Amino acid sequence: DGGITQSPKYLFRKEGQNVTLSCEQNLNHDAMYWYRQDPGQGLRLIYYSQIVNDFQKGDIAEGYSVSREKKESFPLTVTSAQKNPTAFYLCASSMGSLETQYFGPGTRLLVL
Amino acid sequence: AQRVTQPEKLLSVFKGAPVELKCNYSYSGSPELFWYVQYSRQRLQLLLRHISRESIKGFTADLNKGETSFHLKKPFAQEEDSAMYYCALLTGANNLFFGTGTRLTVIP
Repeated sequence: DGGITQSPKYLFRKEGQNVTLSCEQNLNHDAMYWYRQDPGQGLRLIYYSQIVNDFQKGDIAEGYSVSREKKESFPLTVTSAQKNPTAFYLCASSMGSLETQYFGPGTRLLVL
Repeated sequence: AQRVTQPEKLLSVFKGAPVELKCNYSYSGSPELFWYVQYSRQRLQLLLRHISRESIKGFTADLNKGETSFHLKKPFAQEEDSAMYYCALLTGANNLFFGTGTRLTVIP
């Protein structure tokens, strides 16, 4: 196991606080992705990045921000603008944009 | 608009029985479809993709463009097949759309 890691496993956020979820991969993959999973729903794409220093909004980008300063890292910040942040967040990476995506173990975010 | 539908949230079968997890999609372009699986306490992982035309762990899935389906099948279910299964559609815009998943339970 390994290759793509996420930390922490659980994260608690206070009202009005920004929190950052970490995602690291050592697979030398160019593309990285962030998904959100809610009960009874499939995964929904938040942001993705096909190459360093470039990223695109997914279906539900509002209230989130990302950066891609290094190939191996794609942190996701959940801002105070995200009104319903409680969810399970999954990071994934792939060799290229049309290649198989490999997933991290996920981070569960809870609001206090 | 693209959409992936998995009509069954829960599916239970007896060990040794055939299993079919349904997936239907809606997409105007040329579809590329996947099945992902998540076993208990493990991360989401790729089971198979249609362009590979492989059989993984005894599972197969055939793309039927006429019926816009990509059902996952296995002739004889095993207890270790119990897991959450997600069907996913990759569009040309690099978006991977997931269905809501089907939880398969294989009864010993």
